[in-house]
Amino acid sequence: GAGVSQSPSNKVTEKGKDVELRCDPISGHTALYWYRQSLGQGLEFLIYFQGNSAPDKSGLPSDRFSAERTGGSVSTLTIQRTQQEDSAVYLCASSLVRAEETQYFGPGTRLLVL
Amino acid sequence: KQEVTQIPAALSVPEGENLVLNCSFTDSAIYNLQWFRQDPGKGLTSLLLIQSSQREQTSGRLNASLDKSSGRSTLYIAASQPGDSATYLCALGGGADGLTFGKGTHLIIQP
Repeated sequence: GAGVSQSPSNKVTEKGKDVELRCDPISGHTALYWYRQSLGQGLEFLIYFQGNSAPDKSGLPSDRFSAERTGGSVSTLTIQRTQQEDSAVYLCASSLVRAEETQYFGPGTRLLVL
Repeated sequence: KQEVTQIPAALSVPEGENLVLNCSFTDSAIYNLQWFRQDPGKGLTSLLLIQSSQREQTSGRLNASLDKSSGRSTLYIAASQPGDSATYLCALGGGADGLTFGKGTHLIIQP
């Protein structure tokens, strides 16, 4: 079937605006992850969903970041009042059932905050 | 906190050579270890997954090993080809803490 999809593929926004990033996991995958890849930091884990539940939100960089998942499928990552340091590629991944299984990544959303 | 180191950071070899990429980690209490490749401007492609209880995995020209006692993994690429040029990432863990990634090895295979 189709892989993990993310939208938009690119987003340019002005500092202070809110943005919403979307992830559509592989059909049937119950585990979903968000990561961020920035030049100076490499790849960092943000948040994990098992079904619609995120047991630990401490990986989110600040309280301007929030994420939700509805219907056990699509997830959205929202960044409020964007800052220039939020510029990065945001990657989503999913795995079939458990977090210990192979994670399949989407192509990412490249966010640029001006 | 898990720390993952990949050596070398960059590698350039002629086509046809066999090569080894190295990954070391500080915490052996892991669920699994996963090797990915990333092409410029693209997402990550999973290459191999080694469960905590396993020692190695093979797929085609790729072989990955895991030694938890020494905190090391290697990715062996046989008979390298220009299409193997990419950044290779090692990632540890899984579970609710997600994957912890190394900074990658940028590999160039010269035709």
